[in-house]
Amino acid sequence: GDSVTQMEGPVTLSEEAFLTINCTYTATGYPSLFWYVQYPGEGLQLLLKATKADDKGSNKGFEATYRKETTSFHLEKGSVQVSDSAVYFCALRHSGGSNYKLTFGKGTLLTVNP
Amino acid sequence: DTAVSQTPKYLVTQMGNDKSIKCEQNLGHDTMYWYKQDSKKFLKIMFSYNNKELIINETVPNRFSPKSPDKAHLNLHINSLELGDSAVYFCASSQDNSTGYMNTEAFFGQGTRLTVV
Repeated sequence: GDSVTQMEGPVTLSEEAFLTINCTYTATGYPSLFWYVQYPGEGLQLLLKATKADDKGSNKGFEATYRKETTSFHLEKGSVQVSDSAVYFCALRHSGGSNYKLTFGKGTLLTVNP
Repeated sequence: DTAVSQTPKYLVTQMGNDKSIKCEQNLGHDTMYWYKQDSKKFLKIMFSYNNKELIINETVPNRFSPKSPDKAHLNLHINSLELGDSAVYFCASSQDNSTGYMNTEAFFGQGTRLTVV
């Protein structure tokens, strides 16, 4: 079945540091890939997405590139801020058939210190 | 205007009780979901409905019964609550076209924190 593997957290960085959160997936075919963010006490918000190989999703300074050859979708940001502290989830969804669900990774807690 | 809204936001109840969580979306989406998030933040799909039809029931105990009276609503009723049911429950929705092509993201509600004591 489908699965998503994220790097284990927690990740603690200083403000303006470079961020990478690794995500790899196992799925048949060509799924769509997503990064969601969950701020404390809130629901999940879509951060960015990519729907086909070599697509790059970007939003709020975050980027991730859909790499079919390595089945990866790593999240990066060049300079994190304290306000980026949250839990980040990588997820996939099939682009066909009756697979009506998002499959999530276990989440990575990011804490950014001033 | 809230896109996906759940009520209540917090629910504290005793073991053995029956409770319901309501979810409504005003996005015009045709697919709705319930996810359970445990204390370690792990998200697991429970149910998925498309056009009011149950599509996914992911080995959830029979004590959990979803009901979708129309495309905009998906409620979750839980019978005989147990301590292990304590979690945050998220409702979500997405739009999936008739050909089954789904690359659209899901929109999530704020969650219902259920505590069983």
